[in-house]
Amino acid sequence: GAVVSQHPSWVICKSGTSVKIECRSLDFQATTMFWYRQFPKQSLMLMATSNEGSKATYEQGVEKDKFLINHASLTLSTLTVTSAHPEDSSFYICSAPRGYNEQFFGPGTRLTVL
Amino acid sequence: GDSVTQMEGPVTLSEEAFLTINCTYTATGYPSLFWYVQYPGEGLQLLLKATKADDKGSNKGFEATYRKETTSFHLEKGSVQVSDSAVYFCALSGQDASKLTFGTGTRLQVTL
Repeated sequence: GAVVSQHPSWVICKSGTSVKIECRSLDFQATTMFWYRQFPKQSLMLMATSNEGSKATYEQGVEKDKFLINHASLTLSTLTVTSAHPEDSSFYICSAPRGYNEQFFGPGTRLTVL
Repeated sequence: GDSVTQMEGPVTLSEEAFLTINCTYTATGYPSLFWYVQYPGEGLQLLLKATKADDKGSNKGFEATYRKETTSFHLEKGSVQVSDSAVYFCALSGQDASKLTFGTGTRLQVTL
């Protein structure tokens, strides 16, 4: 089946630094990718829709200057958490749709901000 | 807007017990419904889906039936195994077929 990878799988950084997370579709092209945030014991919260060749679409309440999204190619989207703070610590997951009503999820990236 | 409500966990069962995880939804139109499973340390995987009323999705012994009259999509399995221990998410996609709305997830722990 289709595979979506994320890198890194986990990252620890100091407060105030920026962290980039990559999401790749390995065997299919994705003009759209989605970024989610998952809090402990809670559901996935959609943060934004990454669009190849155009600006990302952010969900209400998500700071676009804080969470920079770049869809560089048909197989790569990046999420950069800028000036990270401890409250940004979370599990970040990307997904890419293929076909009708089929989403493939990456394994997630655990971010810990000290 | 669209929403999904799942029963809170954790659910702890003995091996070979019957499993039901309740899921109800609110959506306009005719959403597609999904169950995703997240095994420890792994990403979400599609378990099963149903795209219209009265459809039954099934996979790996799990089943769920799309009930429009009760706006439900309960997950069932007749005999769980230890390897079924995971977090199960109910989800729907509405008018924008590529966007998913998730429930809060239900952790299942199966013991010997």
